[in-house]
Amino acid sequence: DQQVKQNSPSLSVQEGRISILNCDYTNSMFDYFLWYKKYPAEGPTFLISISSIKDKNEDGRFTVFLNKSAKHLSLHIVPSQPGDSAVYFCAARKQTGANNLFFGTGTRLTVIP
Amino acid sequence: DTGVSQDPRHKITKRGQNVTFRCDPISEHNRLYWYRQTLGQGPEFLTYFQNEAQLEKSRLLSDRFSAERPKGSFSTLEIQRTEQGDSAMYLCASSSRNMASGNTIYFGEGSWLTVV
Repeated sequence: DQQVKQNSPSLSVQEGRISILNCDYTNSMFDYFLWYKKYPAEGPTFLISISSIKDKNEDGRFTVFLNKSAKHLSLHIVPSQPGDSAVYFCAARKQTGANNLFFGTGTRLTVIP
Repeated sequence: DTGVSQDPRHKITKRGQNVTFRCDPISEHNRLYWYRQTLGQGPEFLTYFQNEAQLEKSRLLSDRFSAERPKGSFSTLEIQRTEQGDSAMYLCASSSRNMASGNTIYFGEGSWLTVV
C-alpha cells in the first residue's frame, strides 16, 4: 500500500524555468514532510522539509507547499538549473515519535540547458 | 568527510551466500536506520536503532536479515542465504535527538547488492 505517491515518473524543464514536482499522500497521520534529491549510485540528499502546521517553506530556489485538506504537497524550483537534474523523492513521517519515513517512488527531473 | 559512510559500496554474490554491510553514522547521531531501495521504487524502511538498542523492525526484515549496533556507533546488516530478490541498494541513515524536533535523516551513499 503506497501511502506516499508521486504520479509523475519524469519531468523535463528548460533551464531558467520553474520546475514543479508533486506528491500526494493518503495517511492523515503524517505530520512532517521532506524532499530528497538523489543522483545515480548515491544516497538521497535532504533538500527541504515542512511541518504540517505550515503551508509553505522556502529555502533559496526551493519552496515546498503543503495543502493538508487535499493531502498534497509540491516542490517548486525556480529558476531551474542543469545541476538540478536528479530524481526527487517525497517522504512523510507519522506523528511525533515515529522513527521511519515513507517514501514516494520518485520523479526524475531533467533540466534542459 | 563526516557524513554517513557505508562499506562496501558494491557487492556481487552468488545466491545462497551470506553478505554483511557496515555503516558508520555521523558521529554525534545516536539514531541509525537501514533502508532498502529497489529499482523504480523509493527507499523502504527496514530497521531502526537508538544507541545500541534495535527499537523497530519492518516486516520486510525477514529472518534471513539481522542488524546489529553493538556499541551504539557503527552498525552491520547481514543477509544470510541471499536470494535474487535481495538485489537492491541498502541505505544507512542517521539522525540526532528525537525526530519530533524536526531533525531530518541523513543518508549514506548506499551499498549495492547484486545476487547472481
